[in-house]
Amino acid sequence: EVQLVESGGGLVQPGGSLRLSCAASGFTFSSSAMSWVRQAPGKGLEWVSAISSSGGSTYYADSVKGRFTISRDNSKSTLYLQMNSLRADDTAVYYCAKFKGVNTVTTMDYFDYWGQGTLVTVSS
Amino acid sequence: EIVLTQSPATLSLSPGERATLSCRASRSVSSYLAWYQQKPGQAPRLLIYEASNRATGIPARFSGSGSGTDFTLTISSLEPEDFAVYYCQQRSNWPFTFGPGTKVDIK
Repeated sequence: EVQLVESGGGLVQPGGSLRLSCAASGFTFSSSAMSWVRQAPGKGLEWVSAISSSGGSTYYADSVKGRFTISRDNSKSTLYLQMNSLRADDTAVYYCAKFKGVNTVTTMDYFDYWGQGTLVTVSS
Repeated sequence: EIVLTQSPATLSLSPGERATLSCRASRSVSSYLAWYQQKPGQAPRLLIYEASNRATGIPARFSGSGSGTDFTLTISSLEPEDFAVYYCQQRSNWPFTFGPGTKVDIK
């Protein structure tokens, strides 16, 4: 059974930092591209960042570029999101999501498994 | 950035009725579109990918169609568990984007 378990959320002041983790199990983590998607309270879904299976390619939404860094440790089957210079509008539930990979060429496409999410609140 | 627009914002229907949800892209995404279902307090669930392919374990009452800029998610006969928010998502271009969602609630 695929499991994605996020941790690291909490309350942080504006300008502060936080590192989220996502522990993966039940699939070959090192073969799967991964992503972070967030959802502000009462709002819709927003893609945040993605990383290839090797970690060699990363992508960011403009809203977080230069402030957030995605990374992974395939030996630990863990995905990370380092969040710096946090702002009030970063307040959201952050989901770790696995890319489905519809074929061997297209490895970043749709999100077939999601974690339960971790809440990040940026407030003074 | 490709903007996805969903309509209607809210769809009020009764169990057993047919639901038709629309997603329109600001420019062509070919068939690179997915649909998700989200219930309160839960993570989204993938329903349809590549516009018309049902994901694993998704009931046959869910179907997707369309290509280019106009897409439709159809629920042929609403079950009580289908009342939720539905999002579309494109993977044609970075950044991947989601639509604002359509809430299907009980009439």
